[in-house]
Amino acid sequence: RKEVEQDPGPFNVPEGATVAFNCTYSNSASQSFFWYRQDCRKEPKLLMSVYSSGNEDGRFTAQLNRASQYISLLIRDSKLSDSATYLCAVILGYNFNKFYFGSGTKLNVKP
Amino acid sequence: DGGITQSPKYLFRKEGQNVTLSCEQNLNHDAMYWYRQDPGQGLRLIYYSQIVNDFQKGDIAEGYSVSREKKESFPLTVTSAQKNPTAFYLCASTPGQYATNEKLFFGSGTQLSVL
Repeated sequence: RKEVEQDPGPFNVPEGATVAFNCTYSNSASQSFFWYRQDCRKEPKLLMSVYSSGNEDGRFTAQLNRASQYISLLIRDSKLSDSATYLCAVILGYNFNKFYFGSGTKLNVKP
Repeated sequence: DGGITQSPKYLFRKEGQNVTLSCEQNLNHDAMYWYRQDPGQGLRLIYYSQIVNDFQKGDIAEGYSVSREKKESFPLTVTSAQKNPTAFYLCASTPGQYATNEKLFFGSGTQLSVL
């Protein structure tokens, strides 16, 4: 079983739509959680860290559900520029140097 | 500007050849990492190093080797034993030795292809 799993998509949404992605993790000892954005053939860029209480940054909201072992990313008022692949990453509690990444969810925002 | 520099951007390998990917950082970060990404896949950890002269295997280390002789440099050699080396390779770093709640800083990547 993979440490981190994501729906690969693609999610095709119109501009202005609200879209949500989930990411499940298998190890309950996971300590830290992140969402990264990756454009085609570019390096991932940190979008948000995910905190237990949930956090918001503009149009982006991240949530953590420890009981069900998943994190989520909500994007409101989607822009064309939001089109990218969104990777979730998890640091496992017993090895602080290993980030485990999901395979990414592709988002296409259309005019 | 501080950052991570990977070179070359594109690299081609012939059958039976070893090739080395360069990764240099001027962020004064302790830990450095190498990841491999295949199309439609997430990042998989090849090797990582917490301090100079020490490194650990990641999940897919077979066919790869690394060195960490200087804090700022972490080159990756793709050996001829790696039978399927075509992928996008990403170097990354974190400020401390233990990446607790720290974000990864990435280089811009090297695309390796087999001729």
